[in-house]
Amino acid sequence: GAGVSQSPSNKVTEKGKDVELRCDPISGHTALYWYRQRLGQGLEFLIYFQGNSAPDKSGLPSDRFSAERTGESVSTLTIQRTQQEDSAVYLCASSLGGPPPQHFGDGTRLSIL
Amino acid sequence: GESVGLHLPTLSVQEGDNSIINCAYSNSASDYFIWYKQESGKGPQFIIDIRSNMDKRQGQRVTVLLNKTVKHLSLQIAATQPGDSAVYFCAETSNNAGNMLTFGGGTRLMVKP
Repeated sequence: GAGVSQSPSNKVTEKGKDVELRCDPISGHTALYWYRQRLGQGLEFLIYFQGNSAPDKSGLPSDRFSAERTGESVSTLTIQRTQQEDSAVYLCASSLGGPPPQHFGDGTRLSIL
Repeated sequence: GESVGLHLPTLSVQEGDNSIINCAYSNSASDYFIWYKQESGKGPQFIIDIRSNMDKRQGQRVTVLLNKTVKHLSLQIAATQPGDSAVYFCAETSNNAGNMLTFGGGTRLMVKP
């Protein structure tokens, strides 16, 4: 498809387990963003990749969270030792870079039991 | 499926009426603003954007107004339709912020047939 693709769409796991979320951005988009959306709230910025530059990790809430991106393609967000407060929808967006709008995937709904 | 925005401010309008959704932004250095529409279980969908050197921009059935003096943004939807029912978020960013979006809390629009 032509849009941002995220997988899995839903993930249920036990507290303490590690999870890995995947994002396939729109082809050609150099910028990639991860956001978290808790129920009933707006989106919180987590991390930003732009080309080959060092990622901006200023939004990551703890050292349990990390993300990688391979070149200008797939990105994975990893949450280690998950906690119940990690339950949220994790959204990925990509853009051409600069101010053009970010295009979002439909997110991964993460539930920690 | 999970609902977005269970406790968000709600605007209820009659089908065919015009809707106005308001947003107060926080950063006077922001120079780019976006409105997104989010339906339940979906990622935010780009509606319209505006740069800080403009105070009005029109799209198809939508108009965005920007008042930098009071840091206020509004989205006007003409002839509101049932398909417009969703949660609407404003977002701000700037080049200095690496174009990371800062989202407002969202408003739920409900269109009565």
